[in-house]
Amino acid sequence: EPEVTQTPSHQVTQMGQEVILRCVPISNHLYFYWYRQILGQKVEFLVSFYNNEISEKSEIFDDQFSVERPDGSNFTLKIRSTKLEDSAMYFCASSPRQGTLYEQYFGPGTRLTVT
Amino acid sequence: TQLLEQSPQFLSIQEGENLTVYCNSSSVFSSLQWYRQEPGEGPVLLVTVVTGGEVKKLKRLTFQFGDARKDSSLHITAAQPGDTGLYLCGGRGSTLGRLYFGRGTQLTVWP
Repeated sequence: EPEVTQTPSHQVTQMGQEVILRCVPISNHLYFYWYRQILGQKVEFLVSFYNNEISEKSEIFDDQFSVERPDGSNFTLKIRSTKLEDSAMYFCASSPRQGTLYEQYFGPGTRLTVT
Repeated sequence: TQLLEQSPQFLSIQEGENLTVYCNSSSVFSSLQWYRQEPGEGPVLLVTVVTGGEVKKLKRLTFQFGDARKDSSLHITAAQPGDTGLYLCGGRGSTLGRLYFGRGTQLTVWP
C-alpha cells in the first residue's frame, strides 16, 4: 500500500542552524502539508502546498520556514535558523484532492531536537 | 481558529469492555477524520465522516458525525489490547484543506 515517507527519522541540530526535513508524498497525490506536534501537545497545521505554491499557512509558519517541491517526488520543509522551541515531531501529509471528501495521509514523522 | 475538544483525555479499561470517546466543537466542520497514533509515529487514518448524522462502521469501531457537523464520537465494542493508542479527531473547516486537531484520547486496554 502506498505511503508517505519522511527522512531523517530523527534530526539533532544546534540553535541557529538550518535544517531541511524531507518527505516523499504518495505518488499520485497533488496536495501536500506539513504539521508539527510538540511533545504532549496537539498536532498543529503549518502549511499546505499545491501546484508549486503555498495554498495556506498558519501563524506558526513565519519567515524562518519555507517549503519546496524540488522535483517530482520530494517535498521539503526548511527551517533557516532553528530555535529551541522548534523542537517537535514534524509530519508531512498528502492528499489526492481537495474538497469535502479529501483525506490526508500522514508520514511517520521526523523528530527534530534543537539544542 | 476552530477548536476541537476531545474527551476523556485518558481512558483505561479491561479487555472486552465497550467505550465511547468524544470530539466536540462550537464550530461546523465540512468533514472530520479520526486517526490513531502510536508513540513516536504518525497519525494513521481510520475513517472520514462527511454528512451530518452519518454513521460508519469499521469492524468493532463505530463512528458518528453529529447532525450539526460540530461533534463526533467513536465507539469501540469489546475492546482489545491492540486497540491501545492515541485517538485523534481532525476537523476540516472552510479553508483549503487544513485540519484542526483535538488533543486526543489516550486509550489503554489491559488484557
